[in-house]
Amino acid sequence: DAKTTQPPSMDCAEGRAANLPCNHSTISGNEYVYWYRQIHSQGPQYIIHGLKNNETNEMASLIITEDRKSSTLILPHATLRDTAVYYCIVRVREAAGNKLTFGGGTRVLVKP
Amino acid sequence: NAGVTQTPKFQVLKTGQSMTLQCAQDMNHEYMSWYRQDPGMGLRLIHYSVGAGITDQGEVPNGYNVSRSTTEDFPLRLLSAAPSQTSVYFCASSYSHRGLETQYFGPGTRLLVL
Repeated sequence: DAKTTQPPSMDCAEGRAANLPCNHSTISGNEYVYWYRQIHSQGPQYIIHGLKNNETNEMASLIITEDRKSSTLILPHATLRDTAVYYCIVRVREAAGNKLTFGGGTRVLVKP
Repeated sequence: NAGVTQTPKFQVLKTGQSMTLQCAQDMNHEYMSWYRQDPGMGLRLIHYSVGAGITDQGEVPNGYNVSRSTTEDFPLRLLSAAPSQTSVYFCASSYSHRGLETQYFGPGTRLLVL
């Protein structure tokens, strides 16, 4: 699985958009970009994933650069409940054991 | 739906004791797995199951046993607890082994081994 690099932390004002970057310069053609988050003392929560095209769901938007070497997760209107550690993961969609490996992630603090 | 439930939420064991961490899901998911999460180590897969009666090892299976007699339940047994097994344990289930997006996690069990 390709390695990802994320900033260790960032602050965001409540109600504003939060843009979380992720670098994955060694991504392979069949690897997807996944985003998960983990709110304190809770299990990981799936947010969104994509291969090439930008994606949007009820939680967030995912913007993937044309060369696929980086991506940005956008939380359009951050709330206090979005305070969490956000993980960017790059891997093939099907893998033995559905293994989910987290790196350091970005600790996001949403402030009032 | 209750989703994925785990019991207990917290547990303290002495070295050498055995115990079972319970995991249940009510979504009729075929696929279930156990992870441990340690500070600075991220998530590591312990064991997983693709259906009742079928289990397989993940990255860090030593010291743990699993069984899958029903679709709903996937208990994790610690045979002889060691301080190195102090961790937060997460159970997950999914309706498919194809794709992380299908995976739902339980709230976790915090285990301290003295």
